[in-house]
Amino acid sequence: SYVLTQPPSVSVAPGQTARITCGGNNIGSKSVHWYLQKPGQAPVLVVYDDSDRPSGIPERFSGSNSGNTATLTISRVEAGDEADYYCQVWDNSSDHWVFGGGTKLTVL
Amino acid sequence: EVQLVESGGGWVQPGGSLRLSCAASGFIFSDYSMNWVRQAPGKGLEWASYISSSSSAIYYADSVKGRFTISRDNANNSLYLQMNSLRAEDTAVYYCARDGDLGVGSFDYWGQGTLVTVSS
Repeated sequence: SYVLTQPPSVSVAPGQTARITCGGNNIGSKSVHWYLQKPGQAPVLVVYDDSDRPSGIPERFSGSNSGNTATLTISRVEAGDEADYYCQVWDNSSDHWVFGGGTKLTVL
Repeated sequence: EVQLVESGGGWVQPGGSLRLSCAASGFIFSDYSMNWVRQAPGKGLEWASYISSSSSAIYYADSVKGRFTISRDNANNSLYLQMNSLRAEDTAVYYCARDGDLGVGSFDYWGQGTLVTVSS
């Protein structure tokens, strides 16, 4: 089955840029979605189809996807961005949705 | 306003059954595919099951296949998950999530979840 690999944690100072990676075999050929989840809350979609943002999501959130790595980039990080972030793809070989293990973003 | 409200969670002994429900409002339920996603305590998200808008396509994660059954009632704007032969590892918050309009099947709306605890 298809596996998505994320770093368990990423730390960044306020105002800096955070990059969260999501690795998978030839993930560049898939559409990647990203979610953030704050403690005790449901996940929220922040990027879909690699790099598009739903309405209401700040432009500071962006995404890219190529080769074996997709990346969520958060510019000018704020304390309120502290959350767990998950990537997601559709694995058409198994008809399964797959989530990455999640990355905890800490704002120092 | 789109709303998804799960119910039916609770405590159950190993081997037992539970039926989760998700009440949808604020959109044309019959137009959208739906999913169940679960999250064990302190763990990440795990997709559990998918059902297409007309119930013509249904998929399950390997971890629940053969034990869980997803269904929907478009007339009553409701999604269900029948969970049988429950195991301790099924303990999780269960979310229903809409397979939305944005892109290739991203989950654009989620409920707040219902907790299922499987323990003796």
